Amino acid sequence: GDSVTQMEGPVTLSEEAFLTINCTYTATGYPSLFWYVQYPGEGLQLLLKATKADDKGSNKGFEATYRKETTSFHLEKGSVQVSDSAVYFCALSDRGNQGGKLIFGQGTELSVKP
Amino acid sequence: EADIYQTPRYLVIGTGKKITLECSQTMGHDKMYWYQQDPGMELHLIHYSYGVNSTEKGDLSSESTVSRIRTEHFPLTLESARPSHTSQYLCASTGTSGGVGTDTQYFGPGTRLTVL
Repeated sequence: GDSVTQMEGPVTLSEEAFLTINCTYTATGYPSLFWYVQYPGEGLQLLLKATKADDKGSNKGFEATYRKETTSFHLEKGSVQVSDSAVYFCALSDRGNQGGKLIFGQGTELSVKP
Repeated sequence: EADIYQTPRYLVIGTGKKITLECSQTMGHDKMYWYQQDPGMELHLIHYSYGVNSTEKGDLSSESTVSRIRTEHFPLTLESARPSHTSQYLCASTGTSGGVGTDTQYFGPGTRLTVL
């Protein structure tokens, strides 16, 4: 079945460092791909999405490119801030999935130190 | 901006009590979901609904039940709470946009349940 694998955390960075969180997927169809962010004590918020190969999603300085050849959707940010400390989830939604269900990775905790 | 609400945000309750976690959305979304989130962060789908009078069990077996009598409302009920039910419960919804399967889920703030 479809699945999503993220790099394990926690990831600890200093402020202004470069961030990469790896995400790879397995899917039989042509999925849409998402990154969600969860701040402490809150629900998940959509960070960015991409719906087809080579699309780049971007928001708040974060970017991710849908790479069909490597089945990847890695999250990057050039300069992280303390306020980026959160848990990040990669997810996919198969276009053939009429239930609209998402398949989530296990989450990666990011901690940014001043 | 997503308009999906969950109450209560925090609940501490004794073993054996019946509880209902409320979830409402004002976006007219047809599909709604309940997730249980581990302390280790992983999300598990426990229930979902395609619309009014539709409910399905998710990937993780749960002793909870749900109902969908109105489009905007998707409550989750535990008839007899146990310490093993202690967890974070997240509600989400989605509506069709741009075709089948390309839906973005919008999440509520969650209910943190502790059963003593």
